[in-house]
Amino acid sequence: EVQLVQSGAEVKKPGESLKIACKDSGYSFSNYWIAWVRQMPGKGLEWLGIIYPGDSDTRYSPSFQGQVTISADKSINTAYLQWSSLKASDTAMYYCAKSKSSWVNDAFDIWGQGTMVTVSS
Amino acid sequence: QSALTQPASVSGSPGQSITISCTGTSSDVGGYNYVSWYQQHPGKAPKLMIYEVSNRPSGVSSRFSGSKSGNTASLTISWLQAEDEADYYCSSYTSSSTPVVFGGGTKLTVL
Repeated sequence: EVQLVQSGAEVKKPGESLKIACKDSGYSFSNYWIAWVRQMPGKGLEWLGIIYPGDSDTRYSPSFQGQVTISADKSINTAYLQWSSLKASDTAMYYCAKSKSSWVNDAFDIWGQGTMVTVSS
Repeated sequence: QSALTQPASVSGSPGQSITISCTGTSSDVGGYNYVSWYQQHPGKAPKLMIYEVSNRPSGVSSRFSGSKSGNTASLTISWLQAEDEADYYCSSYTSSSTPVVFGGGTKLTVL
């Protein structure tokens, strides 16, 4: 069964850096898009960006461009979301999700369990 | 403000049918047949319920159906059950700089 397993919850201080991970246990990691989605407490889903591990083609939501960095290491079937300087407003649950196909316009049928990031002084 | 507009809440009684709308523009919902719907129960990850406007993934109940007319997509749940109570989000491919947009979400209450 294909599944995405995300790294554990994080508690950080403002200004600190962070990199969270999303590991794909299935095959053909390189041939599907992996998206990152934010959900602030009590709020809706927000799309941060997406990466195609096969060639590292990465696209960001304009709202998050420059705020986060998405990357992937296809040798270990893992995608990453990182921050260089966290803010309290980054406190949220972050999900990774895998596309149904290699098309960037496809739906996301496999989701990770989520990584809760808490930023507080 | 979300790119796609959904009602904040809908409700229905067990056995009834409800419809959730998702309104976009000709650059997203109206221009492409790549509308998806996700169900999210509290504390859980989203689950894909409908893709490409009206297709159900394997394992999703036939009580869930999708459609589209112009710039508005719809999710209909027939024969409502208590387990359907959840948040529902629509999503669409878009020709803007970002290929994916979400709706703001709709909370479904089963009375």
